[in-house]
Amino acid sequence: DTAVSQTPKYLVTQMGNDKSIKCEQNLGHDTMYWYKQDSKKFLKIMFSYNNKELIINETVPNRFSPKSPDKAHLNLHINSLELGDSAVYFCASRSMGQFNSPLHFGNGTRLTVT
Amino acid sequence: AQSVTQLGSHVSVSEGALVLLRCNYSSSVPPYLFWYVQYPNQGLQLLLKYTSAATLVKGINGFEAEFKKSETSFHLTKPSAHMSDAAEYFCAVSLSSGGSYIPTFGRGTSLIVHP
Repeated sequence: DTAVSQTPKYLVTQMGNDKSIKCEQNLGHDTMYWYKQDSKKFLKIMFSYNNKELIINETVPNRFSPKSPDKAHLNLHINSLELGDSAVYFCASRSMGQFNSPLHFGNGTRLTVT
Repeated sequence: AQSVTQLGSHVSVSEGALVLLRCNYSSSVPPYLFWYVQYPNQGLQLLLKYTSAATLVKGINGFEAEFKKSETSFHLTKPSAHMSDAAEYFCAVSLSSGGSYIPTFGRGTSLIVHP
């Protein structure tokens, strides 16, 4: 059983298009995250939701809009895609109740903007 | 603010040799520290975490890490490297921010294992 699943795994699109990435977790966690991993493997947090409420919103262009329909899902919509958006996007979840509870990651979505 | 620094973007060892991946944290309070591993084309998975119950933490795949408050370090070690250990390793800390904890990662260390 896949704990954190993301779709699609690969996404190739042209500049200016709008695309979405979906994420679902079946771990019963109450907190979900989106991370961006650049070509140098650096992981930067983008957003975090706790029980469908946005709790972390780092300096991300407002072309990126997360949406959490319920606590098991966190989707990411990107408008007007730019070349610099090319990266691997990871969804993750954890239990907020324990401060040292680890993150559980999906396998990533590799976005390529041409 | 708390952060983690990983020394060395690449570490190269021979199969069977000791693995040492360095992580230092900056904090005035006991942090919540983790090591994650990322294999090619996969997400990160937890290797081990510091729980304050013991300074030496054992993880999966024979890895362990020692929390040293005096050195603000949480280095990852493995006595004998295996080819399958070749991956990207990330040290992480949970930063406290506005009542929430933000998992924040070091820049990663790529472990290369030579036969």
